[in-house]
Amino acid sequence: AQSVAQPEDQVNVAEGNPLTVKCTYSVSGNPYLFWYVQYPNRGLQFLLKYITGDNLVKGSYGFEAEFNKSQTSFHLKKPSALVSDSALYFCAVRDRVDRGSTLGRLYFGRGTQLTVWP
Amino acid sequence: GAVVSQHPSRVICKSGTSVKIECRSLDFQATTMFWYRQFPKKSLMLMATSNEGSKATYEQGVEKDKFLINHASLTLSTLTVTSAHPEDSSFYICSASEHLLSSYNSPLHFGNGTRLTVT
Repeated sequence: AQSVAQPEDQVNVAEGNPLTVKCTYSVSGNPYLFWYVQYPNRGLQFLLKYITGDNLVKGSYGFEAEFNKSQTSFHLKKPSALVSDSALYFCAVRDRVDRGSTLGRLYFGRGTQLTVWP
Repeated sequence: GAVVSQHPSRVICKSGTSVKIECRSLDFQATTMFWYRQFPKKSLMLMATSNEGSKATYEQGVEKDKFLINHASLTLSTLTVTSAHPEDSSFYICSASEHLLSSYNSPLHFGNGTRLTVT
């Protein structure tokens, strides 16, 4: 079964410090991996994706993520956190394989609340 | 970039009434739309997948007669919560995907969500 795990419900970091939000996945074969951010009472905004190629992916707002196949991880990182980065972050994986009724479906982690304090 | 518009953003209704939520893709044709429900501080629960012109595929445990989904055109899908009860109060989010075969590596585009409160 396809699944995504975000082991931390909450991550707290001081402004200016580096941040990491963890994500591990379990899929059959090679996955498409995504990170989304959600601000209160809003939908999800796309941050970045890994499809193929370089393991380090750069995305919006200075975020990046590193794909590690051996550890089946796709951790989100930012060198210097901002208070405005405080939000709920979701990791997601999409099958590359047609599994019938799940075609194109995104599997989400449970989300990690990031709080950046001044 | 691709935009998905979801309306209304907030709705309050009385128990027993029905509420319709619209999801529109504004600048692309959405072959497939997904409807999610999000509980407070929880992840997104996929409710159903709708493909234009065909019946929606519901996830296990989601009542298809209660959550009616229509995807009559390539730019519009609707979710109707019928005979709403207070336990249906939640945040509902739609997302849309362009022609699927060419968009496996494309991110889904999400609406801004609808906060439903049933009194």
